[in-house]
Amino acid sequence: AQKVTQAQTEISVVEKEDVTLDCVYETRDTTYYLFWYKQPPSGELVFLIRRNSFDEQNEISGRYSWNFQKSTSSFNFTITASQVVDSAVYFCALSEGAGGFKTIFGAGTRLFVKA
Amino acid sequence: NAGVTQTPKFRVLKTGQSMTLLCAQDMNHEYMYWYRQDPGMGLRLIHYSVGEGTTAKGEVPDGYNVSRLKKQNFLLGLESAAPSQTSVYFCASCDVRNEQFFGPGTRLTVL
Repeated sequence: AQKVTQAQTEISVVEKEDVTLDCVYETRDTTYYLFWYKQPPSGELVFLIRRNSFDEQNEISGRYSWNFQKSTSSFNFTITASQVVDSAVYFCALSEGAGGFKTIFGAGTRLFVKA
Repeated sequence: NAGVTQTPKFRVLKTGQSMTLLCAQDMNHEYMYWYRQDPGMGLRLIHYSVGEGTTAKGEVPDGYNVSRLKKQNFLLGLESAAPSQTSVYFCASCDVRNEQFFGPGTRLTVL
């Protein structure tokens, strides 16, 4: 069965600090996709990144970076030099590779960035 | 290009009433999904569809029915609403690249 665990329920940092959000997943599929989404206070879901199981390269996009490690079944997300606008709930998600891309979400991590 | 739209945005029902939530996408996506979001539980998949005329159960399908009569629309029905169905409902669609596009959500309260 698929499962996504985000052990950090809430994180509070001061602006300009770096912060890492953890994501651990479980799946029996060899082909799968991992995602991160941001949900700001306004409520919409914003897509941040998609990574397939065959691509373990880390990715950097501006202040955001992602570390995918199949050996530990983790897909962690780091925000460098955090800003108040980063305050949101962040969801990690796992999608199987076939059969309609059924997606399972973690419970989310609420990030507070204080000025 | 509106992306994914949901109707209505808000609704209050009494226990036992029925209603239908409409999701529409204009991106010609094959796959569509209905999720519910409850505090502390992330998004949970209710039902999904891999194409026109097909539907399948997700994690929490009980109490809901769906239909995909047209490729662009995915309807979620509650036949007899219960307070446990108070939630925010999100619709999503995706293409073969598996990037999901979400609608703005529908906030449903069942009294």
